[in-house]
Amino acid sequence: NAGVMQNPRHLVRRRGQEARLRCSPMKGHSHVYWYRQLPEEGLKFMVYLQKENIIDESGMPKERFSAEFPKEGPSILRIQQVVRGDSAAYFCASSSLAEAFFGQGTRLTVV
Amino acid sequence: AQSVTQLGSHVSVSEGALVLLRCNYSSSVPPYLFWYVQYPNQGLQLLLKYTTGATLVKGINGFEAEFKKSETSFHLTKPSAHMSDAAEYFCAVSDQDTSYGKLTFGQGTILTVHP
Repeated sequence: NAGVMQNPRHLVRRRGQEARLRCSPMKGHSHVYWYRQLPEEGLKFMVYLQKENIIDESGMPKERFSAEFPKEGPSILRIQQVVRGDSAAYFCASSSLAEAFFGQGTRLTVV
Repeated sequence: AQSVTQLGSHVSVSEGALVLLRCNYSSSVPPYLFWYVQYPNQGLQLLLKYTTGATLVKGINGFEAEFKKSETSFHLTKPSAHMSDAAEYFCAVSDQDTSYGKLTFGQGTILTVHP
């Protein structure tokens, strides 16, 4: 049973470009969560999605960030017009009724 | 709103010594409580969790934690540290009314184990 799969593991983008981060939840899980981990900080909740629905986006920045979880395929976290402050590790998690499982993260570097 | 405070961003112990990582939380409702471990460049792995029932919770790798409601604490302990325990540890809470995936994390404690 494969775990939560995130790709790419590392992503380098120039300022102003778009970043797309992908997350495939564990088999059988239909709930996906995105977190951001800035250097020297803990993880901060961004968004909670179920298939084709955004359930809670209270942690998402108001501009440039969006997320989706289509009926088919992985969940996508999209960051438009990246800035240096977007450099961070972005983690995806999927949950069962008892536990959240985390992927290995995508480390975004904006140069 | 919930919050989690981990006292001590860095803890250093000798191999074989007691490990104590502190976590205090604030929550307006009875929370679920978690400890996760993160190895360098890896995702988070669940060590243990408290939901209901017995307040002393045992987890993987010999770790355990005790939920103390009166102290709003959930400290993580291990009787004897091993070199492989060196990692960053995160305490987290979630509302019972939300899913297990929406968590509020502390800032983390880096554990160093000396030979």
